[in-house]
Amino acid sequence: GENVEQHPSTLSVQEGDSAVIKCTYSDSASNYFPWYKQELGKGPQLIIDIRSNVGEKKDQRIAVTLNKTAKHFSLHITETQPEDSAVYFCAARRSNTGNQFYFGTGTSLTVIP
Amino acid sequence: EAGVAQSPRYKIIEKRQSVAFWCNPISGHATLYWYQQILGQGPKLLIQFQNNGVVDDSQLPKDRFSAERLKGVDSTLKIQPAKLEDSAVYLCASSSLAGPTVEQYFGPGTRLTVT
Repeated sequence: GENVEQHPSTLSVQEGDSAVIKCTYSDSASNYFPWYKQELGKGPQLIIDIRSNVGEKKDQRIAVTLNKTAKHFSLHITETQPEDSAVYFCAARRSNTGNQFYFGTGTSLTVIP
Repeated sequence: EAGVAQSPRYKIIEKRQSVAFWCNPISGHATLYWYQQILGQGPKLLIQFQNNGVVDDSQLPKDRFSAERLKGVDSTLKIQPAKLEDSAVYLCASSSLAGPTVEQYFGPGTRLTVT
């Protein structure tokens, strides 16, 4: 089955700095890669996603890059703010098995004011 | 648009007791997922429904866990009997098969503590 690895597990940055979270996946059949933000006591919330036919996608301060050859994708948050503090999860979806999602282990991001 | 609803939000039970969780997906979403999220880990898929049929339940511990989605709308996940290692947050999510988007939307989760 698919295996998604995520690094780092914890990340602390100063407010205004950038944060980068990296994920790798194992199954070349995966074609959709969402990123979720999970705040304490809440369910994961989709913040950005990328499909396998796209190399990069940006939405304001958040961007995601995908390298299909190397099977890795990354989340970039620029100009971090305290409200960006949360746990971030990457995921990969295999379209040939009924839209099943596989999640990374999460990165706890702390933005220090 | 209303989000995914789950209840209860919190539940504390003793081991060997039974418990049930309820989920109401976003209206019109054909696919419903139940995930188990143990503290410090990512969500792990337990079961996936498409309408009222099971797409994947390969990681569902069927000796104690069961789930149903009888009318293709809301769903119930049951644990009987519970074990200490079942302590986790149980997340429900839904997605629509319509159009090119396959985003998953999560509910707030039910935090289960087994003592």
